[in-house]
Amino acid sequence: QKEVEQNSGPLSVPEGAIASLNCTYSDRGSQSFFWYRQYSGKSPELIMFIYSNGDKEDGRFTAQLNKASQYVSLLIRDSQPSDSATYLCAVRFGNQFYFGTGTSLTVIP
Amino acid sequence: EADIYQTPRYLVIGTGKKITLECSQTMGHDKMYWYQQDPGMELHLIHYSYGVNSTEKGDLSSESTVSRIRTEHFPLTLESARPSHTSQYLCASSALTGNTGELFFGEGSRLTVL
Repeated sequence: QKEVEQNSGPLSVPEGAIASLNCTYSDRGSQSFFWYRQYSGKSPELIMFIYSNGDKEDGRFTAQLNKASQYVSLLIRDSQPSDSATYLCAVRFGNQFYFGTGTSLTVIP
Repeated sequence: EADIYQTPRYLVIGTGKKITLECSQTMGHDKMYWYQQDPGMELHLIHYSYGVNSTEKGDLSSESTVSRIRTEHFPLTLESARPSHTSQYLCASSALTGNTGELFFGEGSRLTVL
């Protein structure tokens, strides 16, 4: 059974702060890693993907991958109230995607 | 922008009715998936397909069935809907190649069975 675990949350940060979301996975053969944002009642929206060790930056978002530690994180800089959502970590192994249970983030104005 | 479409977006139906949730994608993706998600809960894979005429059941037992006659189309059918089928159903697709390939979701079909 391939497991993906996320910090349980909920997480609250003030507007303008950095939000840090963490995810660990059980299978060393996992190939690629994704962060999805899901607003209440909506479908998941892909915001970042990362395939190689290190950091990947896209605007206010930075994904960090450490395959040796089986750890992937998402940093959101200058958090905005519109970032308030549930963030899902997903790990691809073969043709399957395995999802964590999500971390709820609230950005307080 | 992902081009994957689900209809209907919302459906309220009585017990015992047959329903089909439609999912189509215009990206030519081989891999398609159906997930079920209750409000505030995690995603559960119920069906997947790696190509035409290929369908498999996912981790979560489901009374639904799927078909994949065309690459772009992956409908899900419930022969006799029950209140326990009330949920959000999410269709997704991916063009997995080697280590790359992202999963894109449709907007979902929210089903309520009375």
